[in-house]
Amino acid sequence: QVQLVQSGSELKKPGASVKVSCKASGYTFTSYAMHWVRQAPGQGLEWMGWINTNTGNPTYAQGFTGRFVFSLDTSVSTANLQISSLKAEDTAVYYCARDWFLTAVSANWFDPWGQGTLVTVSS
Amino acid sequence: DIQMTQSPSSLSASVGDRVTITCRASETISSYLNWYQQKPGKAPELLMYVASSLQSGVPSRFSGSGSGTDFTLTISSLQPEDFATYYCQQSYITPYTFGQGTRLEIK
Repeated sequence: QVQLVQSGSELKKPGASVKVSCKASGYTFTSYAMHWVRQAPGQGLEWMGWINTNTGNPTYAQGFTGRFVFSLDTSVSTANLQISSLKAEDTAVYYCARDWFLTAVSANWFDPWGQGTLVTVSS
Repeated sequence: DIQMTQSPSSLSASVGDRVTITCRASETISSYLNWYQQKPGKAPELLMYVASSLQSGVPSRFSGSGSGTDFTLTISSLQPEDFATYYCQQSYITPYTFGQGTRLEIK
């Protein structure tokens, strides 16, 4: 079955970097784009951007430029999110979510989602 | 950016109740509206796409409607497993934006 499995929780100090991985299985990885979504503690969902898994071209939402990098390792069907110069406000659960696009209506949605990776930034 | 506003933000209801959650977009998004359910400590799961299409495997007590700026998610008869937080999301244009969520609690 289609599944996204993310790497485990991380505890980092301010100023450090972190890499979150999202390994896909059950489908052709390069046929579907991948999105990243952030959820701060007790808060709602915030779209961070997406990466074209065919070309590797990333698109970042405002507020997620500079310190945030989306990348791929297509050899192992994995999408990665790297955050550098971590700040306390980066503490959140980060989700990857596969894009599902229906050509007939030019609409897309997110399904499935990874289980989430908690990144905690604390000194 | 398109702002998505859900109402109510929280809701108490009983098993068997009919519940409606509203989502309003700050500008027209046609029918590019999706709904997700999130249970505590879990990832969101897709319920409805393109406003009124039920995702495979989702019970038929869930239904969605609307177009333009106003949308609704209805649960016809609440079951214990439906108590969760619900989010709407527009996929009309990037940045894709979510509503703030509606927390559905047991009365």
